[in-house]
Amino acid sequence: NAGVTQTPKFRVLKTGQSMTLLCAQDMNHEYMYWYRQDPGMGLRLIHYSVGEGTTAKGEVPDGYNVSRLKKQNFLLGLESAAPSQTSVYFCASSGQETQYFGPGTRLLVL
Amino acid sequence: AQSVTQLGSHVSVSEGALVLLRCNYSSSVPPYLFWYVQYPNQGLQLLLKYTTGATLVKGINGFEAEFKKSETSFHLTKPSAHMSDAAEYFCAVKAYGGGSNYKLTFGKGTLLTVNP
Repeated sequence: NAGVTQTPKFRVLKTGQSMTLLCAQDMNHEYMYWYRQDPGMGLRLIHYSVGEGTTAKGEVPDGYNVSRLKKQNFLLGLESAAPSQTSVYFCASSGQETQYFGPGTRLLVL
Repeated sequence: AQSVTQLGSHVSVSEGALVLLRCNYSSSVPPYLFWYVQYPNQGLQLLLKYTTGATLVKGINGFEAEFKKSETSFHLTKPSAHMSDAAEYFCAVKAYGGGSNYKLTFGKGTLLTVNP
C-alpha cells in the first residue's frame, strides 16, 4: 500500500517549457487535489477533482491544467512554465474526512 | 467560507518544555479540524483531527489538541518537547456538510524549533 505517490520528485524547466506532474493513489479515494506550497503562504489549492472525469478550479488555477481520466491518477500540467511557478507541488487524495498527501515535487523554473 | 489563523510563524522551545501552537478558525458551519506536520523535504502527515464527539483529541507523537467552539480555537499542545518534534505544523479546517465539504483550508504554518 503505497498511499499517494508523485512523479517526478524534482524538475528544472526553462521559461516557456511544458511539463506534466503525475499523482497516483491506491486508496480508492474519490477526491484528489493539487496544491502548491510557497514560503510563508501555507498550501494553496490549484485544482481538485471530485471523481473520475471531473475537475474544478481551486484558489490559484491560472497557468495550470488538470485531468482525471482514471480514478487513481490526477495529472497537473503546465503548458508554458513561468518563474512564478517555481514551487513545491503536493498532491493529496481523500474520502469524506482526511486528506493524505504525497511526498511533493520540487519545480524550478529558470 | 472558512479561514484559519495560526498565531506565530515561528515558535522556539527548549527540549523538555511545553509546546503550544495556536490555531483559530472561522467557519459558517460546524467544522472538521486538522493538524498536519511537515518534516523537512517531506509531505504533510496527519497529526490529529477533530470531527465530532470528544473535544480533546489525542494524536501521534504525544500531541493533543482541544476544540473550543466558544473561542473558535484548536490549539496544539505537547507536554514535553523532543528534538524530533522540530518541523512545520499546519492547522486546517474543512466544512462539515454542504457542497464544499471535501476542501481543506490551511493556515500559513508554524515552524517549531527545539533547542537542546
